[in-house]
Amino acid sequence: NAGVTQTPKFQVLKTGQSMTLQCAQDMNHEYMSWYRQDPGMGLRLIHYSVGAGITDQGEVPNGYNVSRSTTEDFPLRLLSAAPSQTSVYFCASGLAGPENTIYFGEGSWLTVV
Amino acid sequence: GQQVMQIPQYQHVQEGEDFTTYCNSSTTLSNIQWYKQRPGGHPVFLIQLVKSGEVKKQKRLTFQFGEAKKNSSLHITATQTTDVGTYFCAGSPGANNLFFGTGTRLTVIP
Repeated sequence: NAGVTQTPKFQVLKTGQSMTLQCAQDMNHEYMSWYRQDPGMGLRLIHYSVGAGITDQGEVPNGYNVSRSTTEDFPLRLLSAAPSQTSVYFCASGLAGPENTIYFGEGSWLTVV
Repeated sequence: GQQVMQIPQYQHVQEGEDFTTYCNSSTTLSNIQWYKQRPGGHPVFLIQLVKSGEVKKQKRLTFQFGEAKKNSSLHITATQTTDVGTYFCAGSPGANNLFFGTGTRLTVIP
């Protein structure tokens, strides 16, 4: 049982490049989400999904796409990277419903130059 | 939109002193959760409060949920160096998503 696995752990991109952050969980969780963490701003929700085939926007969705073709995987795609997207990205999963805790991956450190 | 404010942003304490962080929401929450993130690590779940006025304890940590379900606090008694990290509250207005506070970074001076 690996929990929530994110790859890559570190990535440097040039402005305008695209890339995908991978997230997989093996806990059969319906709910998955992506957060970004910037200094002094806590964790902000980018996109989330409550099941395969269902995705929705969070607080800061612009510049990011997601898909949920399987229960296990929830990749985050940066369409055209910008320096403002330099951040630490966390994927999280949990059982659906507001009273369920979520479990975070170890994070992906992204730098856009 | 949903806002969860947390104060203070930083706190430095001498080992053995107490520490408190406060969380306030602009809207009523269905529940509040607390997470701890060690430096360089990822947030880890500590506890969840659901009922109005609820108080829960975990060893030296005491968590409270306000009567109006719009605020919460975390109090650590006699801090230790292992308490170092950033403490986040996270609230849910009733949907699946958690809205995180900005966090309080605790430094414990030995």
